[in-house]
Amino acid sequence: QVQLVQSGAEVKKPGASVKVSCKASGYTFTNYPMHWVRQAPGQRLEWMGWINADNGDTIYSQKFQSRVTISRDISATTVYMELSSLTSEDTAVYFCAKVMTTAFAFDIWGQGTRVTVSS
Amino acid sequence: ELVLIQSPATLSLSPGERATLFCRASQSVRSYLAWYQQKPGQAPRLLIYDASKRATDIPARFSGSGSGTDFTLTISNLEPEDFAVYYCQHRSNWPPYSFGQGTKLEIK
Repeated sequence: QVQLVQSGAEVKKPGASVKVSCKASGYTFTNYPMHWVRQAPGQRLEWMGWINADNGDTIYSQKFQSRVTISRDISATTVYMELSSLTSEDTAVYFCAKVMTTAFAFDIWGQGTRVTVSS
Repeated sequence: ELVLIQSPATLSLSPGERATLFCRASQSVRSYLAWYQQKPGQAPRLLIYDASKRATDIPARFSGSGSGTDFTLTISNLEPEDFAVYYCQHRSNWPPYSFGQGTKLEIK
């Protein structure tokens, strides 16, 4: 079945970077863009950016443009999201999400990765 | 930047009742609107896409309507498992593909 499995929880110090992985299976990896969405405690979902898994092109939310890098490894069918210069406001659960075949909507989500930024 | 406003913030109903949730966009998104359900500690689940199309395996008691700037998610005959937070999301011509702030559907 189609699934996305993310890497485990991370604890980072302010100023550090974090890299979260999202392993895809059950579908042709290069056929679908992958998006990243985060959710701070008690807050709404926040879209961060996406990658064309075929050619590697990326588009980022302007809010994260200077700090986020989304990449992929086709052979590993894995997408990565790296966020730098972390602050306490980056404490959140980070999700990867696959776009569905026939419309722009996220039909499959990873289980989420909790990132805690604390000194 | 396009903004989605959901109302009400909280909706208190009993099982068996009908829930009506609203999502208003600051500019037209045509029919490019999706609805998600999220339960505590879980990833969101896609319910509705393109404003009115039910996603795979979503029960018929969930329905969506609207176009342009005003959208509605209706849940008829509420089941105990329907009590959760609901988010709308747009796909306009350009990102960010933002979400609304959510409506919490709680048991009365």
